[in-house]
Amino acid sequence: AQSVTQPDIHITVSEGASLELRCNYSYGATPYLFWYVQSPGQGLQLLLKYFSGDTLVQGIKGFEAEFKRSQSSFNLRKPSVHWSDAAEYFCAVGARGTYKYIFGTGTRLKVLA
Amino acid sequence: SAVISQKPSRDICQRGTSLTIQCQVDSQVTMMFWYRQQPGQSLTLIATANQGSEATYESGFVIDKFPISRPNLTFSTLTVSNMSPEDSSIYLCSAGTGLSETQYFGPGTRLLVL
Repeated sequence: AQSVTQPDIHITVSEGASLELRCNYSYGATPYLFWYVQSPGQGLQLLLKYFSGDTLVQGIKGFEAEFKRSQSSFNLRKPSVHWSDAAEYFCAVGARGTYKYIFGTGTRLKVLA
Repeated sequence: SAVISQKPSRDICQRGTSLTIQCQVDSQVTMMFWYRQQPGQSLTLIATANQGSEATYESGFVIDKFPISRPNLTFSTLTVSNMSPEDSSIYLCSAGTGLSETQYFGPGTRLLVL
């Protein structure tokens, strides 16, 4: 069955600390992978995406993610978190040509001053 | 990327009534979708809005409850019919643009049904 798992429901980090949000997927076809961020009261904003090629992708706001096929993972990282990064983060997987995504349940990030 | 707007941004409705949500994209897009995000949960795809034809609904969603229109390549509406408190959610419109194979989302409509 196709699925996306974000094991961490909540994560709390101090401002300036590094961050890693985990995402594991189960998908039959070659996956397209995405990370979105949803700030309180807002819609979803695309942070980054992976289709093919270099397995380390750079996104907006200083985020990056690494695709590891052997681990079926696409973890999101940021070297130094800012208070404005407090939000909910969703990992999603899709297939070429379908535009239909499966979303994870989200990880809510809290940043301590 | 596409810029997507939704109206209304939020509403409070009485049970048994209907609400129509509008989604406007700033450019012509191939695909448009409607999602529901129930409180504290992830996104669930309701349907794909097809231009000039009936929407394609996901399992658990039916046209009588969620009629969708898409008269052109930049606009779609979702109606939540005969509402109950269980329909209280955020409803999000998204669009897929050409060869990018990426969905861009609107800001959402926050619906509370009393």
